Amino acid sequence: QVQLQESGPGLVKPSETLSLTCTVSGDSISGDYWSWVRQPPGKGLEWIAYIYYSGSTTYNPSLRSRVTISIDTSTNQFFLKLNSVTAADTAVYYCARRAILTGYQYFYSYLDVWGKGTTVTVSS
Amino acid sequence: DIQMTQSPSSLSASLGARVIITCRASQNINNNLNWYQQKPGKAPKLLIYGASSLHSGIPSRFIGSGSGTEFTLTISSLQFEDFATYYCEQSHSTPGNTFGQGTKLEIE
Repeated sequence: QVQLQESGPGLVKPSETLSLTCTVSGDSISGDYWSWVRQPPGKGLEWIAYIYYSGSTTYNPSLRSRVTISIDTSTNQFFLKLNSVTAADTAVYYCARRAILTGYQYFYSYLDVWGKGTTVTVSS
Repeated sequence: DIQMTQSPSSLSASLGARVIITCRASQNINNNLNWYQQKPGKAPKLLIYGASSLHSGIPSRFIGSGSGTEFTLTISSLQFEDFATYYCEQSHSTPGNTFGQGTKLEIE
């Protein structure tokens, strides 16, 4: 059974770079898409980016200029870097697997396995 | 960008009640619509994908329907463990797998 675990600093200073790691266990990271989603305190979910195991990336346009997602298949991990952070980036950050299901005339994409989330606070 | 609007934003209901949550897309997304349940302090959990397909292990009282721009999530008989916040997500356009703003379901 696939499990995901986020790790990284819980406190980041304004203007610095937020760096998170998601470690995948129970299965190979190869062959799937992997995502980062965040949730500010008391608010809804916001998709940040996703990456295919081959390294192909897709970013939320609203964050694209500050975000980098990367992957290391040798360690079964993928990563998030968000630079020039402000208090608005304070959130719970989740990593998740984006499953793809295709067939005749359909293409489904959904987040089927999630990490427990890690809280990141941006404050001096 | 495709916008997703859920209604209501919150609702109260009793155990055993039938509840319907609606999600509207700003443009046609065919049936590329997913539903998630989130409890306080926990990660979201996938309930429904492809508008109406029940994810593995999810009870059959959760029913998804709709296509195009209007979708519903029905909980046929509320159980205690169903009180949570529900989010829809469109997966039709990339980039931009946008979520709805959420519907908080509380005990009446």
